[in-house]
Amino acid sequence: GNSVTQMEGPVTLSEEAFLTINCTYTATGYPSLFWYVQYPGEGLQLLLKATKADDKGSNKGFEATYRKETTSFHLEKGSVQVSDSAVYFCALSDRGGSYIPTFGRGTSLIVHP
Amino acid sequence: DAGVTQSPTHLIKTRGQQVTLRCSPKSGHDTVSWYQQALGQGPQFIFQYYEEEERQRGNFPDRFSGHQFPNYSSELNVNALLLGDSALYLCASQRTSGNTDTQYFGPGTRLTVL
Repeated sequence: GNSVTQMEGPVTLSEEAFLTINCTYTATGYPSLFWYVQYPGEGLQLLLKATKADDKGSNKGFEATYRKETTSFHLEKGSVQVSDSAVYFCALSDRGGSYIPTFGRGTSLIVHP
Repeated sequence: DAGVTQSPTHLIKTRGQQVTLRCSPKSGHDTVSWYQQALGQGPQFIFQYYEEEERQRGNFPDRFSGHQFPNYSSELNVNALLLGDSALYLCASQRTSGNTDTQYFGPGTRLTVL
């Protein structure tokens, strides 16, 4: 079956540091890949997505590239801000089915001033 | 353009009671999914509704039931509440026509069972 594995958190960084959150997946076929962000006390917001190999999703300075050969979709940002503190979820959606995403367990990011 | 809305925001119940949570999908969306998110965990899929029918179901007991109305809004009902049902309940909507694979989430309903 489908599964998503994320690096365990929390990830603690100083403001303006470089961020990488690792995500690898197992899926049959060619899924779409997503990063969602959840701020404290809120629901999930779609951050970015990629639908095929070598696609790069980007939004608000965050980027992730769909790597089929390594089954990875790592999230990166060049310079984090305190306001980026949140929980980040990697997910995949099997386009051959009813598009119900499978989520990773989430990685908490804490950014200090 | 209104996004996904959920009500109520917070709810406190006692064991054995029943609860109903409500969701209105994003404009133009016809499919609603419900998730349970325990503290520190990722969302777990409960079920999905399309054309007023349950299309797919996750590994949740029959105490969890739902409904979709002709205007695409949806309800999640949980009977005989257990302490372990305390969680954030998320609703997500998407547009099935055109094979849109992206779900958009509401802010959630925080359920506390005492």
